[in-house]
Amino acid sequence: DTAVSQTPKYLVTQMGNDKSIKCEQNLGHDTMYWYKQDSKKFLKIMFSYNNKELIINETVPNRFSPKSPDKAHLNLHINSLELGDSAVYFCASSHSGAPREQYFGPGTRLTVT
Amino acid sequence: RKEVEQDPGPFNVPEGATVAFNCTYSNSASQSFFWYRQDCRKEPKLLMSVYSSGNEDGRFTAQLNRASQYISLLIRDSKLSDSATYLCVVNGPPGGGSQGNLIFGKGTKLSVKP
Repeated sequence: DTAVSQTPKYLVTQMGNDKSIKCEQNLGHDTMYWYKQDSKKFLKIMFSYNNKELIINETVPNRFSPKSPDKAHLNLHINSLELGDSAVYFCASSHSGAPREQYFGPGTRLTVT
Repeated sequence: RKEVEQDPGPFNVPEGATVAFNCTYSNSASQSFFWYRQDCRKEPKLLMSVYSSGNEDGRFTAQLNRASQYISLLIRDSKLSDSATYLCVVNGPPGGGSQGNLIFGKGTKLSVKP
């Protein structure tokens, strides 16, 4: 009965590889988000999707591409991984409209070697 | 000025103590305010919303001062289980595509000791 789930939980990969992180929510929310939390614990939004449309893109490198097959899923694909991409990536979801409480997934800890 | 600023702490307090966290935000047009809690190596979880008139949830009291752009969280009778990082969260400026954007402070770390 997990509300927001992410896979994998841990991801260790080498520079230059391409990887994807999957996210699913069963809360019936229509907006989903991806956040990056770096080593300094600063949580920063990367993308949000509302009804399959990208509505925020916070100047994230175009190596990162969100893909949403339906409103319950928002996957994150990363091309040509770099050392600086190492971080914890959180997926979240909420109802749309005025800012609402967001519910976070457990996070994916990405380590690029 | 950073969008959301918090004292990073850590705050080390004994059980039963009362502790207060402060937060300031830069955008006077912000309309929604929250406190989230993040345990070590876990995801952030909503602790409580912050309303203009102030609000209380058990041992937790949140206050908002729009004129000063200041938010506070008070924890009374602190428990060992309150040990976590507390994140002050404010919504992005209205208009454009960022209205749903939540801006997180870096968090204040609380450690409650026996």
